[in-house]
Amino acid sequence: AQSVTQLDSQVPVFEEAPVELRCNYSSSVSVYLFWYVQYPNQGLQLLLKYLSGSTLVKGINGFEAEFNKSQTSFHLRKPSVHISDTAEYFCAVSTYSSNTGKLIFGQGTTLQVKP
Amino acid sequence: GAGVSQSPRYKVAKRGQDVALRCDPISGHVSLFWYQQALGQGPEFLTYFQNEAQLDKSGLPSDRFFAERPEGSVSTLKIQRTQQEDSAVYLCASSPMGRGNTEAFFGQGTRLTVV
Repeated sequence: AQSVTQLDSQVPVFEEAPVELRCNYSSSVSVYLFWYVQYPNQGLQLLLKYLSGSTLVKGINGFEAEFNKSQTSFHLRKPSVHISDTAEYFCAVSTYSSNTGKLIFGQGTTLQVKP
Repeated sequence: GAGVSQSPRYKVAKRGQDVALRCDPISGHVSLFWYQQALGQGPEFLTYFQNEAQLDKSGLPSDRFFAERPEGSVSTLKIQRTQQEDSAVYLCASSPMGRGNTEAFFGQGTRLTVV
């Protein structure tokens, strides 16, 4: 079975500061990794995904994430955040062997950007 | 349509009442998922359809939950005899195919409150 742990439930940060949202996963098989963002009263929107190849993945809105297989981590980073980045962020995995593509999500991290 | 559409956006049900939640996926998407998101938690998988076939219903929490997609397009999640613990946001997602590396597109969700 797979599981995802997001190590911080809330991350407060000042505008224009860098931020890192941490994600660790557990799986006995190879996985694909995803970060989704959820704005208030909205559905989830894909930020970025790691499928294979380069371990540094760039996504929308200036976010990037690095896959570290040895540490089973997929931390999300942004060098300079904006007020508009305030949202809930979810890390998720699906398996190579999946014939459905269902996602296993972490519990989420609330990013609070302060002026 | 342009995206995944869910209705109603909000539903208040009295305990014991039956409810039906509708999902209109992106046209042509083969795969459809239902997730349940409790307050302050990440989404949890409920069930998966490939066209009209329900291939995975391992996440349905009880036999009070039933989902269908009779023509391989619109899907309905039905909850019978609602309980307070059913209060959550129910998210629908669709994707072009059922593979672990395929992006899922999410609707805005239906917030169900059982009183």
